[in-house]
Amino acid sequence: KAGVTQTPRYLIKTRGQQVTLSCSPISGHRSVSWYQQTPGQGLQFLFEYFSETQRNKGNFPGRFSGRQFSNSRSEMNVSTLELGDSALYLCASSHRDRASYEQYFGPGTRLTVT
Amino acid sequence: DAKTTQPNSMESNEEEPVHLPCNHSTISGTDYIHWYRQLPSQGPEYVIHGLTSNVNNRMASLAIAEDRKSSTLILHRATLRDAAVYYCIFNAGGTSYGKLTFGQGTILTVHP
Repeated sequence: KAGVTQTPRYLIKTRGQQVTLSCSPISGHRSVSWYQQTPGQGLQFLFEYFSETQRNKGNFPGRFSGRQFSNSRSEMNVSTLELGDSALYLCASSHRDRASYEQYFGPGTRLTVT
Repeated sequence: DAKTTQPNSMESNEEEPVHLPCNHSTISGTDYIHWYRQLPSQGPEYVIHGLTSNVNNRMASLAIAEDRKSSTLILHRATLRDAAVYYCIFNAGGTSYGKLTFGQGTILTVHP
């Protein structure tokens, strides 16, 4: 099976712009979670989707949003970019929305805001 | 949020066993204990998980204390490729599923 793929892998944006990141889960996986990783804060949970519904949301401002499509692919959007949004954005997929199932992470999208 | 406590760093020699400890005194009865590791410039990689019983897979073993307040990830023979940051995490059931809360993890250094 192909792993979790994320596009683009690298992105440079300017403050005030918006950005959309894409995540394709492993075939058959219906749960997709997003995380932000920075040197200072580590890995932080953004949100989780299952069957096109957002099930959980982390403590991030409303500028961060996401959605999931019927084929389980997911996108996350960040509007009005700030310098502090520079980070590695990771998505993870899982077969079911159960704690007994492991999550599989993609390689991440490295976002740099200048 | 539930919290885990891990040593900041550990060192090992190649081909020796490594025991990575994790304390999770606030774990609830339905929280699964998951271990992930992150190699440099990669996304986290699933290692192993368990609820109450000890678990083994091709990568590692997980020993869970009887009271579930602590666990130990065991790498039976460390290799240079095992050098990574190891995260011990709760994966809660119910409506909190998917919301993995990562701590700072343990940086494992493996010496040749």
